[in-house]
Amino acid sequence: AQTVTQSQPEMSVQEAETVTLSCTYDTSENNYYLFWYKQPPSRQMILVIRQEAYKQQNATENRFSVNFQKAAKSFSLKISDSQLGDTAMYFCAFTFTGTASKLTFGTGTRLQVTL
Amino acid sequence: SQTIHQWPATLVQPVGSPLSLECTVEGTSNPNLYWYRQAAGRGLQLLFYSVGIGQISSEVPQNLSASRPQDRQFILSSKKLLLSDSGFYLCAWRQGLSNIQYFGAGTRLSVL
Repeated sequence: AQTVTQSQPEMSVQEAETVTLSCTYDTSENNYYLFWYKQPPSRQMILVIRQEAYKQQNATENRFSVNFQKAAKSFSLKISDSQLGDTAMYFCAFTFTGTASKLTFGTGTRLQVTL
Repeated sequence: SQTIHQWPATLVQPVGSPLSLECTVEGTSNPNLYWYRQAAGRGLQLLFYSVGIGQISSEVPQNLSASRPQDRQFILSSKKLLLSDSGFYLCAWRQGLSNIQYFGAGTRLSVL
């Protein structure tokens, strides 16, 4: 079975600073996708960024970027120039390619951005 | 553009009562549909998914069931709620070959 591990239950960062959230996963498959989702206090799950395992280049979306290390099965999220609106739970998730595409989630990291 | 609707937003039900949560998707056809549950302070657990009308796959055997009576409608049900059914329920959809799932706003269920 696939597992996703987020070892940082809570983190705090000051506004405008940079923070990195960690995620490791375990799979024997070679083709898969990794995601970071954000869940603000409203509890809506919002996609932050996606990485295809077959791509060596790290994905970026504005202030958000990932460090994907396939051999190490590591997928960290870097948030640059942190903003108060980044305060949320962040979940790392994994899915295989295929018809069902079921997501397996980590337990989340609660990020607090402070003034 | 595609949108996903989920209702009700909040529900308080007594133990032993029935449950029906609805999820509909607009602006797409033949989506994969998913029901997840999130316990307090925890990650999401996949409950059911559907790749087509009438096709339901269960991930966790429990007190709940799901149905897909129409292409873009997904229903989560229970005949008799348990205290342990309390939680936050999220519906999601995935279009075609994309592996991205988009989530509804969720339903907070409290069983008392």
